[in-house]
Amino acid sequence: DVKVTQSSRYLVKRTGEKVFLECVQDMDHENMFWYRQDPGLGLRLIYFSYDVKMKEKGDIPEGYSVSREKKERFSLILESASTNQTSMYLCASSHRAGAEETQYFGPGTRLLVL
Amino acid sequence: AQKVTQAQTEISVVEKEDVTLDCVYETRDTTYYLFWYKQPPSGELVFLIRRNSFDEQNEISGRYSWNFQKSTSSFNFTITASQVVDSAVYFCALSEAQLGDYKLSFGAGTTVTVRA
Repeated sequence: DVKVTQSSRYLVKRTGEKVFLECVQDMDHENMFWYRQDPGLGLRLIYFSYDVKMKEKGDIPEGYSVSREKKERFSLILESASTNQTSMYLCASSHRAGAEETQYFGPGTRLLVL
Repeated sequence: AQKVTQAQTEISVVEKEDVTLDCVYETRDTTYYLFWYKQPPSGELVFLIRRNSFDEQNEISGRYSWNFQKSTSSFNFTITASQVVDSAVYFCALSEAQLGDYKLSFGAGTTVTVRA
């Protein structure tokens, strides 16, 4: 079974703090993704990566950055957290490039920015 | 423009009732893939099914069934004889081959509540 883990289930941070969300997958998948989920909006793609040290912007990259130094790990960084970044963050991975590839998701991190 | 529309925000049923979740998609691509995911209260999205645009056969898996109709751009999901454990948010998603960026476009989700 594919296993995608995220470093925290719940996180509370203050406005202006730098926040790191970590994601690890154990299936040697090439692609990794970060989404945020908000009520009524579904999941929106923030960034994705199809290889180590590679990254591509998704639909809503503003205020975020990412890092992929190792194949299994994909980090989402909030450089200066703001209250409008309070959300559920979901990490996903897929085996390789291709529209047919199924994405497998982690349990999510609920971030509250005060 | 929204590529995937799930018009039903919430559905509440009594156990053993059938429930159908609607999904309408929009694409100009001839090759695309449709997915359904389940998100239980624990939060993790669980993959349920993938269907490609060339395969319009309906599929049944236990109490779950899917109806894919290209003519109406719909990929509806039915839970037969619902159970309390089916309570979750269900997402429909679309992946388009020509875009080449492997993105999934998600609908807003439908919250299903099954009452005992």
